[in-house]
Amino acid sequence: DAGVTQSPTHLIKTRGQQVTLRCSPKSGHDTVSWYQQALGQGPQFIFQYYEEEERQRGNFPDRFSGHQFPNYSSELNVNALLLGDSALYLCASSMTVNTGELFFGEGSRLTVL
Amino acid sequence: GENVEQHPSTLSVQEGDSAVIKCTYSDSASNYFPWYKQELGKRPQLIIDIRSNVGEKKDQRIAVTLNKTAKHFSLHITETQPEDSAVYFCAAPLGTQGGSEKLVFGKGTKLTVNP
Repeated sequence: DAGVTQSPTHLIKTRGQQVTLRCSPKSGHDTVSWYQQALGQGPQFIFQYYEEEERQRGNFPDRFSGHQFPNYSSELNVNALLLGDSALYLCASSMTVNTGELFFGEGSRLTVL
Repeated sequence: GENVEQHPSTLSVQEGDSAVIKCTYSDSASNYFPWYKQELGKRPQLIIDIRSNVGEKKDQRIAVTLNKTAKHFSLHITETQPEDSAVYFCAAPLGTQGGSEKLVFGKGTKLTVNP
């Protein structure tokens, strides 16, 4: 049983560029949440997707957007990248019937130069 | 506000000693309190969680206690081993929206177990 898978694992971008990160949830999970984890910090909630809609959003600007597909996989898009966007981006999946229990992927480490 | 405070930020113990990490939360509606362990370069992994209908839960050397009145919960690790060395995060959900919850994480505690 595959867990949460994310791609790419590492990527380097320059300021102003755009990036797309991808996530496949754990089998049987229908809800995907995205977190940003800066070095030495706890994960910060970006948003959550369920039934292909953004269900909740954290304190992140509109440059951060996402999408969920019918197969429950998800994408995180960040436009107009800033140096401060450098972080580990974690995808977590869960079953809505077991609210709160998150299973994390290994993350995508984004470096913005 | 939406807040989870975690203490201490670093903790160093000798192998075999106990370790305690404490968290406080602000949302009295929170009803689920997980603890995650994150080893260097790895993803956070759930190690134990507790729901608000119980005050304590144990799983071998790990236990979590919850005080809803005071809005704090703690992780207890007994008989620590070097492989327990990692960063530990507490979390609490902010409200419910038809079953949807977003977890707010503490800033983490770096635990070092010295052989």
